Amino acid sequence: AQSVAQPEDQVNVAEGNPLTVKCTYSVSGNPYLFWYVQYPNRGLQFLLKYITGDNLVKGSYGFEAEFNKSQTSFHLKKPSALVSDSALYFCAVRGDRGSTLGRLYFGRGTQLTVWP
Amino acid sequence: DTAVSQTPKYLVTQMGNDKSIKCEQNLGHDTMYWYKQDSKKFLKIMFSYNNKELIINETVPNRFSPKSPDKAHLNLHINSLELGDSAVYFCASSPDRGFSGTEAFFGQGTRLTVV
Repeated sequence: AQSVAQPEDQVNVAEGNPLTVKCTYSVSGNPYLFWYVQYPNRGLQFLLKYITGDNLVKGSYGFEAEFNKSQTSFHLKKPSALVSDSALYFCAVRGDRGSTLGRLYFGRGTQLTVWP
Repeated sequence: DTAVSQTPKYLVTQMGNDKSIKCEQNLGHDTMYWYKQDSKKFLKIMFSYNNKELIINETVPNRFSPKSPDKAHLNLHINSLELGDSAVYFCASSPDRGFSGTEAFFGQGTRLTVV
């Protein structure tokens, strides 16, 4: 079964500090992993994905994520947070076979607040 | 140009009414989806169409009926609206059904409020 866990409902960081938003996953088959961001009253915007290859994936707005197969994690990181990064972040895993094919399974979301 | 567009953005209606939400994508994608985001921000897939063919139909009340007149459009019709249908509905599209791990592109959402 495909599932994603985001253990933190909220993450608060000071501007300029590094940030990490955690995600762990469970998949049967290949892990196609994604991060999306949702700003207030907006749709979801794609940030980055891991399909295969390098474990460190770079995405939009200076974000990156590290795929760790042994820990089944895909944490989102940024070296220096901006106030404008404040938003709701979703980790997702996409099924690649059988009845899970095509479905995005989302985590519960983590509200990131960056304070000045 | 907006890649995935939904109309209306906001919809307030009374219980028992029938309403439709429209979605169009100009990305040339083969697959389109409807997702529901509840009041706790939880996102769950409802339906998926690939080239006008229904390929995912989650456990959704049959009051919800998707319609895909062509591969660029996927509309959602809801009959006999109930209070519990209040949510934000997102349309999305992707180039394929997920074989290659392609990402999905989302619309801005339609906030449905049933009173």
